[in-house]
Amino acid sequence: DAGVTQSPTHLIKTRGQQVTLRCSPKSGHDTVSWYQQALGQGPQFIFQYYEEEERQRGNFPDRFSGHQFPNYSSELNVNALLLGDSALYLCASSLNPADATQYFGPGTRLLVL
Amino acid sequence: AQKITQTQPGMFVQEKEAVTLDCTYDTSDPSYGLFWYKQPSSGEMIFLIYQGSYDQQNATEGRYSLNFQKARKSANLVISASQLGDSAMYFCAMRELNSGGYQKVTFGTGTKLQVIP
Repeated sequence: DAGVTQSPTHLIKTRGQQVTLRCSPKSGHDTVSWYQQALGQGPQFIFQYYEEEERQRGNFPDRFSGHQFPNYSSELNVNALLLGDSALYLCASSLNPADATQYFGPGTRLLVL
Repeated sequence: AQKITQTQPGMFVQEKEAVTLDCTYDTSDPSYGLFWYKQPSSGEMIFLIYQGSYDQQNATEGRYSLNFQKARKSANLVISASQLGDSAMYFCAMRELNSGGYQKVTFGTGTKLQVIP
């Protein structure tokens, strides 16, 4: 039973570029959430996707957008990268939107130079 | 807006002893849930335990128990019989649901636990 997978594991970009991060949820899960974790901080909620729509959003600018595909996998897109976007990006999946238990992937470490 | 506070940046505990990690929260929602997650140095977040605001009994999962005191708005994690593998960052988190029933989870700043042999 595969857990949550994310790609790539590491990424280096320069300011102003765009980046796409990918997530495959745990088998049987249909709900995906994304989090940003800056160094030494707790994760911050970006948004949650269910049935290919954004259902809940945290305090992030429109530069952060996402997508969910019919197979429940998801992408996080960040445009016009800033140095402050350097962080660990975590994807989490749950059985359904009402399920409190989320399973996290290993994360993608993004460095913006 | 909901808020989670973890006042202990770091904690030490002797192997085989019990340790309590503190967490207080603030929310105006009557329905909420509280979590604890473990994050080893590898970076992956590991779910430990969950308590719903209406649950009467304190949640327990193996060596982990959540000491839920609703009136004091605290949700402390108790780890019994600490093991070297328990050394990690521990995050307290709370979920709130929007009108559509979709959750948003807020995390605290974490407590770094080090278990001493």
